[in-house]
Amino acid sequence: EVQLVQSGAEVKKPGESLKISCKGSGYSFTSYWIGWVRQMPGKGLEWMGIIYPGDSDTRYSPSFQGQVTISADKSISTAYLQWSSLKASDTAMYYCARRRQEGFDPWGQGTLVTVSS
Amino acid sequence: DIVMTQTPLSLSVTPGQPASISCKSSQSLLHSDGKTYLYWYLQKPGQPPQLLIYEVSNRFSGVPDRFSGSGSGTDFTLKISRVEAEDVGVYYCMQSIQLPLCTFGQGTKLEIK
Repeated sequence: EVQLVQSGAEVKKPGESLKISCKGSGYSFTSYWIGWVRQMPGKGLEWMGIIYPGDSDTRYSPSFQGQVTISADKSISTAYLQWSSLKASDTAMYYCARRRQEGFDPWGQGTLVTVSS
Repeated sequence: DIVMTQTPLSLSVTPGQPASISCKSSQSLLHSDGKTYLYWYLQKPGQPPQLLIYEVSNRFSGVPDRFSGSGSGTDFTLKISRVEAEDVGVYYCMQSIQLPLCTFGQGTKLEIK
């Protein structure tokens, strides 16, 4: 079974750093793009960026360029989304999703990030 | 950036009745390869999104045939022929002609009367 399993919920303070993960299994991790999507509380889906784990080619939505870093470690089939200095406005659910020919499927279960002083 | 605009933003439907959601893109989603990169996703309450329709009109594996997609260029529609209780959630259209970058519509919330 193809699965993306994300790391657990995080509670952080403004200014702290954070790295969340998305581990793929059941398929060739290096052969598919992995995207990241933000969903702020009660809001819609926002595309953040995408990485190809095979060669670490990474693209960012202009809205998120410079705000986050997307990376991958193909040796452990894991993609990452990280922040160097969190803000309260980073509070959201974050999803990873694999891109296949038919679209993005499957999706991870989501990681809730709460940033509060 | 391509802007995706959905209407309506919410709808309330009696079980067994049809439902329709429109999605318009700010530029054509027809690629030079002949494919149109428009997708529909459903996010059920408390769940991640799930893929319903790819490339305008193709149902993804396991999606009931009461769901159908149509359209071309910049105008697209998702139709549910007979709404069931399990169809509640938020429906999003998404473009990926600018792969690997994508854009979602604002979402349409479907509730049951």
